[in-house]
Amino acid sequence: GQQVQQSPASLVLQEGENAELQCNFSTSLNSMQWFYQRPGGSLVSLFYNPSGTKHSGRLTSTTVIKERRSSLHISSSQTTDSGTYLCALERLQQGTGSKLSFGKGAKLTVSP
Amino acid sequence: EAAVTQSPRNKVTVTGGNVTLSCRQTNSHNYMYWYRQDTGHGLRLIHYSYGAGNLQIGDVPDGYKATRTTQEDFFLLLELASPSQTSLYFCASSHWDTQYFGPGTRLLVL
Repeated sequence: GQQVQQSPASLVLQEGENAELQCNFSTSLNSMQWFYQRPGGSLVSLFYNPSGTKHSGRLTSTTVIKERRSSLHISSSQTTDSGTYLCALERLQQGTGSKLSFGKGAKLTVSP
Repeated sequence: EAAVTQSPRNKVTVTGGNVTLSCRQTNSHNYMYWYRQDTGHGLRLIHYSYGAGNLQIGDVPDGYKATRTTQEDFFLLLELASPSQTSLYFCASSHWDTQYFGPGTRLLVL
């Protein structure tokens, strides 16, 4: 079954509103990663977060291992934040290395 | 920032055709990956490698071969393409943590 459950699947905001995206995972992990996928398709890494809280500008990532969840908070959203946000669970396996399992993504639309 | 390039960017082939997708990274990363992205499934790992000559099986390997010829180059081979392999394919590389993605290749199998 799906190891990473991402919610919501889509979100529509007015510019200036905040967004909270969630990922829940059902297996052990080495880290959670968050990516932004531009409408044109390319992916950009936002956070590599094994645990705790990390900040980058208006973005905040929080991973709580015990509760098997990770979140991405976008404050004061802008129209340029529109796109798809993906979380990915990283597993490290001895002998075969690092693998990512992705959630299905959250499509964010920010209107002016 | 890591540079990962893919070619071709778009490809159309027919059922049963032979397709090779190319990926190159120029930052001497150990790991390289091939994913496919489909609506309703997100990104799924096809194959990956942690060095030249090494190949590891991903989560959806059926119908795909891959080869890592050098530290920089990783190829995905579809020897008998099927319409179910129509997808957006991404290559990525990493050293230990963050994965850096290429721009993607759109493949259409008619």
